Amino acid sequence: DAGVIQSPRHEVTEMGQEVTLRCKPISGHNSLFWYRQTMMRGLELLIYFNNNVPIDDSGMPEDRFSAKMPNASFSTLKIQPSEPRDSAVYFCASSLRVDQPQHFGDGTRLSIL
Amino acid sequence: QQQVKQSPQSLIVQKGGIPIINCAYENTAFDYFPWYQQFPGKGPALLIAIRPDVSEKKEGRFTISFNKSAKQFSLHIMDSQPGDSATYFCAALRDYKLSFGAGTTVTVRA
Repeated sequence: DAGVIQSPRHEVTEMGQEVTLRCKPISGHNSLFWYRQTMMRGLELLIYFNNNVPIDDSGMPEDRFSAKMPNASFSTLKIQPSEPRDSAVYFCASSLRVDQPQHFGDGTRLSIL
Repeated sequence: QQQVKQSPQSLIVQKGGIPIINCAYENTAFDYFPWYQQFPGKGPALLIAIRPDVSEKKEGRFTISFNKSAKQFSLHIMDSQPGDSATYFCAALRDYKLSFGAGTTVTVRA
């Protein structure tokens, strides 16, 4: 079975540009999570969707960040405008149900110059 | 503040040794405790998990010990191999929210 698929794997862009990260969860999973990983703060939950509906976006750092899940097989995380401090690895994870193990993609390494 | 405290930050063992990673938590509402293994350039991969009504769980060479009264749990890697060299994260789940430890980098020398 295919795992969680994220694209792109690496993104380098200049400050002020819009960045869109993409995620395809495991088929049949109804819970989707976006995380950010940095050396300073570790793994942080940004937003959680259940059945395509955003349930908790309290981890989204600023209004520059937005996330959507238009259907059960696709989600995006957008940063506009991007800043150097947004540089991190962004992970998408999905689970069969909210109380089941979360399975992570291989992440997008984002560098904002 | 960090809800799950993990130690040590790093450790080095010889092949065949038993690395032990410890985690502690305060929130008794946590009801599921997974361990994740992460290799460079990869996402965290679920390794083994335990619920608080069980004191020990083994899967292959990986064992979780859980002490509910002390609010502590640990991961032991038996007969460690160089391929086990990775960063290990403990975590605790409440509802949908996973709280991660800071991670332990394990190096197994041949």
